[in-house]
Amino acid sequence: QVQLQESGPGLVKPSQTLSLTCTVSGGSISSGSSYWSWIRQSAGKGLEWIGRINTSGNTNYNLSLRSRVTISVDTSKNQFSLKLSSVTATDTAVYYCSRDGFGGYFDYWGQGALVTVSS
Amino acid sequence: DIQMTQSPSTLSASLGDRVTITCRASQRISSWLAWYQQKPGKAPKLLIYKASSLESGVPSRFSGSGSGTEFTLTITSLQPDDFATYYCQQYNSMRTFGQGTKVE
Repeated sequence: QVQLQESGPGLVKPSQTLSLTCTVSGGSISSGSSYWSWIRQSAGKGLEWIGRINTSGNTNYNLSLRSRVTISVDTSKNQFSLKLSSVTATDTAVYYCSRDGFGGYFDYWGQGALVTVSS
Repeated sequence: DIQMTQSPSTLSASLGDRVTITCRASQRISSWLAWYQQKPGKAPKLLIYKASSLESGVPSRFSGSGSGTEFTLTITSLQPDDFATYYCQQYNSMRTFGQGTKVE
């Protein structure tokens, strides 16, 4: 059973860079042809897909965030990571990592990490 | 970008009710649509993929239908555990979620 766990600072100052890591357990991040995605959810709001990466390093990003987002992968650690630069209060959200499986739907999710942007 | 619009935003229902949630895509997405259930403080849970395929372990009272631009999630007999927020998601081009439907 694949499990995902987000980790990183829960508080980031405005204009700084938000950094989160997702650790995959219960299977190799390199198995199959899966992509691995980041998704966020602001308080009381819906879900927003941020972007995805596969283990070859191919990435796709949400056009609205693309200028500020970098997603990377470290297969040796079974991890993938998110960096979001120049954050503002509107980037405060619960950030989820997820497996973007064969079909393009999200079948495994982390528990979520709350990141607050505040000075 | 493909926009996904769900209706209604909130739905009041009782135990045993048949519940229907609609999701419309701004352009045709074939059957590349998934449905999720989310409870407060929890990650979303996959219910349906490819518009009508039931994820393993999901009760058969959940079903999905549709193709092209209009899709439906149906719960045939609402159970206590089903009070939650439901989201559709397209994966025809990148990934986009609907705004959610809260079943209360």
